[in-house]
Amino acid sequence: EPEVTQTPSHQVTQMGQEVILRCVPISNHLYFYWYRQILGQKVEFLVSFYNNEISEKSEIFDDQFSVERPDGSNFTLKIRSTKLEDSAMYFCASRDRTSTDTQYFGPGTRLTVL
Amino acid sequence: GQQVMQIPQYQHVQEGEDFTTYCNSSTTLSNIQWYKQRPGGHPVFLIQLVKSGEVKKQKRLTFQFGEAKKNSSLHITATQTTDVGTYFCATDSWGKLQFGAGTQVVVTP
Repeated sequence: EPEVTQTPSHQVTQMGQEVILRCVPISNHLYFYWYRQILGQKVEFLVSFYNNEISEKSEIFDDQFSVERPDGSNFTLKIRSTKLEDSAMYFCASRDRTSTDTQYFGPGTRLTVL
Repeated sequence: GQQVMQIPQYQHVQEGEDFTTYCNSSTTLSNIQWYKQRPGGHPVFLIQLVKSGEVKKQKRLTFQFGEAKKNSSLHITATQTTDVGTYFCATDSWGKLQFGAGTQVVVTP
């Protein structure tokens, strides 16, 4: 069964450093998402991406965040200057064409900012 | 955006017992989805409900959408240790999922 993959599984970085989290969505999917989950809390929407542009973003997704689909398969989340409070699990998700289709989540990248 | 509240936050269940987790909104929802997240895992889609009063079953899991489309419930019968995890409800607004805080379920053998 097709699945969303994410790398790395765990990223440790120093405060102020840039990190890039990578995702490979399911191949025929057209909508891509990033969510984050701070330990013990709920899953929070960050950004949605369709047709090579951001469709919607939350208030969490400020200027230090950016997303990119550099080629036909990868979907990346960049955090320019990490803060301690960026420590969280970051999930990528993808969805097929219609609004009623299921979002499939990747296994996540645990980001630890020291 | 649409907010969903979930209760209880924690649920300790004896294996074999039933339990129910609830999801409530102050506004009418167009749909409600349920996800399960195993400890250390990622959210896995369980079901989507869109119609008023809709009831769907998946083996021991029964999902219900309220008549006013402001609340939903997940009922699990004869709980098993494999049911351990956090169950989230979420509302889908054009692909943007707004999750509830989740009900963390611990099963005692």
